[in-house]
Amino acid sequence: QVTLRESGPALVKPTQTLTLTCSFSGFSLDTSGMCVSWIRQPPGKALEWLSLIDGDDDKYYTTSLKTRLTISKDTSKNQVVLTMTNMDPVDTGTYYCARSRTPYYYYGMDVWGQGTTVTVSS
Amino acid sequence: DIQMTQSPSSLSASVGDRVSIACRASQSITAYLNWYKQKPGKAPELLIYFASSLQSGVPSRFSGSGSGRDFTLTISSLQPEDFATYYCQQTFSTPWTFGQGTKVEMK
Repeated sequence: QVTLRESGPALVKPTQTLTLTCSFSGFSLDTSGMCVSWIRQPPGKALEWLSLIDGDDDKYYTTSLKTRLTISKDTSKNQVVLTMTNMDPVDTGTYYCARSRTPYYYYGMDVWGQGTTVTVSS
Repeated sequence: DIQMTQSPSSLSASVGDRVSIACRASQSITAYLNWYKQKPGKAPELLIYFASSLQSGVPSRFSGSGSGRDFTLTISSLQPEDFATYYCQQTFSTPWTFGQGTKVEMK
C-alpha cells in the first residue's frame, strides 16, 4: 500500500525559511521514472504545482518560485524535503505531496498525502 | 509555461444530470492531461490520466476525451458524492500546471 504524509511547522514568520518533509512508504524513489511532487493550495483557491524530484534525482520547479524552492530526497529514509525561502503571508495554504508512478508524465499523481497547513504570520 | 483554462468556473446540476467540463491548453499537450476531483478539506484524487484512461477504482460514469489543446471531463449521471471541484492538469512539460478549477454545485 502506497502512503505519503507531509510534516512541517504549522506557523512560520515572514522572511523565514519553510522546510516540509514528505515521508512515504510502499514504493521506492530509486526507480527511474517514478517521482514525488509538491503541490500547494491557498485557502479557497486553486491547486498550484510547485516541484518534483524523480528517481534519477532530476528536479523541476514552478517558474514563479524557482529562486525560492529547493527539493531533495533521502532514499534511505524514504523522504522528500522541500524548502521555501523568504516566506510571505501569500504563501499561506495547504501543502501536499503526491506520487506519480513510472513513467510519471503519463500516469498523473495517483496517491496524495493528506496535506499540511502552513500559516505565514508575524 | 503552458496555461490551462477550464470552463465553466462553476455549474449547477442535479443528481442524474450529464455534466461536462472543458479544459483548454495554451499549446498542444498531445494527451498528457489528467483530471482530479477535490472535496472541501480533502486532498485531490486522480480520476483520469492520459486524457481518457480511467484511474483504478474510479466509477465508470467518469470519462475523459480530447487531444491536442482541447479536453473534456464528462460525468454521465451525477451522483451526490460528485458535488466537488474538478481540476485539469498537464504533464506534457515541466513546469506542470493546473487549471483554475470547476466547482460542481447542487441545483
